[in-house]
Amino acid sequence: DAKTTQPPSMDCAEGRAANLPCNHSTISGNEYVYWYRQIHSQGPQYIIHGLKNNETNEMASLIITEDRKSSTLILPHATLRDTAVYYCIVSVLISSGSARQLTFGSGTQLTVLP
Amino acid sequence: DGGITQSPKYLFRKEGQNVTLSCEQNLNHDAMYWYRQDPGQGLRLIYYSQIVNDFQKGDIAEGYSVSREKKESFPLTVTSAQKNPTAFYLCASSLLRDFTGELFFGEGSRLTVL
Repeated sequence: DAKTTQPPSMDCAEGRAANLPCNHSTISGNEYVYWYRQIHSQGPQYIIHGLKNNETNEMASLIITEDRKSSTLILPHATLRDTAVYYCIVSVLISSGSARQLTFGSGTQLTVLP
Repeated sequence: DGGITQSPKYLFRKEGQNVTLSCEQNLNHDAMYWYRQDPGQGLRLIYYSQIVNDFQKGDIAEGYSVSREKKESFPLTVTSAQKNPTAFYLCASSLLRDFTGELFFGEGSRLTVL
């Protein structure tokens, strides 16, 4: 699986958009970008994933550059409850019949400030 | 509500004792996983299982054992052979067929060895 690079920490004002960057310059054509977050002392929570196109769901938007070497997770209106560690993971989507192991690095600690 | 239940949430044990952490899911997921997390670090995979009565070692299996006698249950035993067992342990599950990259995590078990 390709390696990812994330800043160790970021701050964001409450109500503003939080933009979390991730570099994955060695990503392969069949590798997806996944984002999870982990609120302190809880299990990680899936946020979103994408391959080439930008994706949006009720939690966030994922913007992937055209060359796919980097991506940005956008929380459009950050709240205090969005304070968490955010993990960017690159991995092949499995074929049927094999379990997937997603490698969680150190992530980015996002602190939303009042 | 469907989900993953880990117990106990907190556990204290003396050095040299074996400890078993429970993980139960009612999501009808085929695959289950155990991760370890140390302070300020990402998650590391200990063991995973795709089907009943089958499991595979992850990146840090030494000193741990698992069983998968039922689809819903995947207990983890931390043996006395594990040199540094104090950590936060997370259990997860996922679909196998039609896997989209979403792992469902429990709330975790925090083990402290005195």
